[in-house]
Amino acid sequence: KQEVTQIPAALSVPEGENLVLNCSFTDSAIYNLQWFRQDPGKGLTSLLLIQSSQREQTSGRLNASLDKSSGRSTLYIAASQPGDSATYLCAVQDNAGNMLTFGGGTRLMVKP
Amino acid sequence: DAGVIQSPRHEVTEMGQEVTLRCKPISGHDYLFWYRQTMMRGLELLIYFNNNVPIDDSGMPEDRFSAKMPNASFSTLKIQPSEPRDSAVYFCATDRRNNYGYTFGSGTRLTVV
Repeated sequence: KQEVTQIPAALSVPEGENLVLNCSFTDSAIYNLQWFRQDPGKGLTSLLLIQSSQREQTSGRLNASLDKSSGRSTLYIAASQPGDSATYLCAVQDNAGNMLTFGGGTRLMVKP
Repeated sequence: DAGVIQSPRHEVTEMGQEVTLRCKPISGHDYLFWYRQTMMRGLELLIYFNNNVPIDDSGMPEDRFSAKMPNASFSTLKIQPSEPRDSAVYFCATDRRNNYGYTFGSGTRLTVV
């Protein structure tokens, strides 16, 4: 059974810092990996999707990498802003079915 | 496209009552998923459908929970009878199997008192 772990569970940084969120998964036979953002009391917004054959994806100040063989992904946020404060969730979609398994999330606070 | 539409946004009900949550998927998305989110357990997959057919319902916690997808544009998740421990945010998500990723609805916040 796939297990997804995110470290750290919470992170507080001053505005302007570059930061890295980590995600690890136990079964490397994945179809893709997706990073989501969730604001308090809101739904999930997809940020980046990395297909299993890809190594990284970029969108604006966000860059996500994937190392399938080691079961790891990182989300890099450059020049963080208070508006980046949210919970970031990593999820992997397995090859066997279509299930998306989520990590517990990293709660990010960017202080002005 | 209006995205995945869920209703109601909030539901408060008394223990023992029947609750029905609704989801309208994005047109053309042939996979539909129901997730539950709680502080203690995070996001858990309850059930998913492919082309309106239930594929995996192993996440449905007990017989009090049931889900249907009578057609490609509508799905329901029903809890009967509801209990306080069912209080959570229930999300519907849809996908098409071409690697564009999931799209989530805004969720239904259920409170059972």
